[in-house]
Amino acid sequence: DAGITQSPRHKVTETGTPVTLRCHQTENHRYMYWYRQDPGHGLRLIHYSYGVKDTDKGEVSDGYSVSRSKTEDFLLTLESATSSQTSVYFCAIKRDGVNYGYTFGSGTRLTVV
Amino acid sequence: AQSVTQLDSHVSVSEGTPVLLRCNYSSSYSPSLFWYVQHPNKGLQLLLKYTSAATLVKGINGFEAEFKKSETSFHLTKPSAHMSDAAEYFCVVSDWAGTALIFGKGTTLSVSS
Repeated sequence: DAGITQSPRHKVTETGTPVTLRCHQTENHRYMYWYRQDPGHGLRLIHYSYGVKDTDKGEVSDGYSVSRSKTEDFLLTLESATSSQTSVYFCAIKRDGVNYGYTFGSGTRLTVV
Repeated sequence: AQSVTQLDSHVSVSEGTPVLLRCNYSSSYSPSLFWYVQHPNKGLQLLLKYTSAATLVKGINGFEAEFKKSETSFHLTKPSAHMSDAAEYFCVVSDWAGTALIFGKGTTLSVSS
């Protein structure tokens, strides 16, 4: 839906290594988001972007960075992965106008060992 | 600050009986409110949204929710539960700038035959 693709879908990585997750959209939406989902916490906002090179921090941004060099791509980087970053990561876009709402990607399950 | 409280972490019903999932919100302005559903190991699907139009909102699969400003509530209901309704449900409010979503911690709905 909304042409949102997350990659990879699953990843296992070692503690201390950098990891980059990709979110790709095909509909030219301005706002894109990264959330993480953990049991008992719902989804929490990590970072969001409101345009190319325009990003801001969310509730749980420590240990994460993002980049948006093109409208269609929003990258999330774990600079040095830790076990506490084992989670499911969701990308989302916001639709404006009469179809106002948010659409989520299928998620990336990341395990840090 | 905006916040969402889902009053029950787990609700169990029998197939064919009514469903009530409770949500209270806190917001200093007129919010947009959403209910999302997540089936096991799946992404998030929008059930319905309130954006300051009709206070009774109808969604997909027979679900509806009523926005009650005086009670700061947005409870989700369905007249008759189906086995396929078993899932996790999230009540969500947009932040003050309308730039991101704030999630409740979720309610797991179990449906028994």
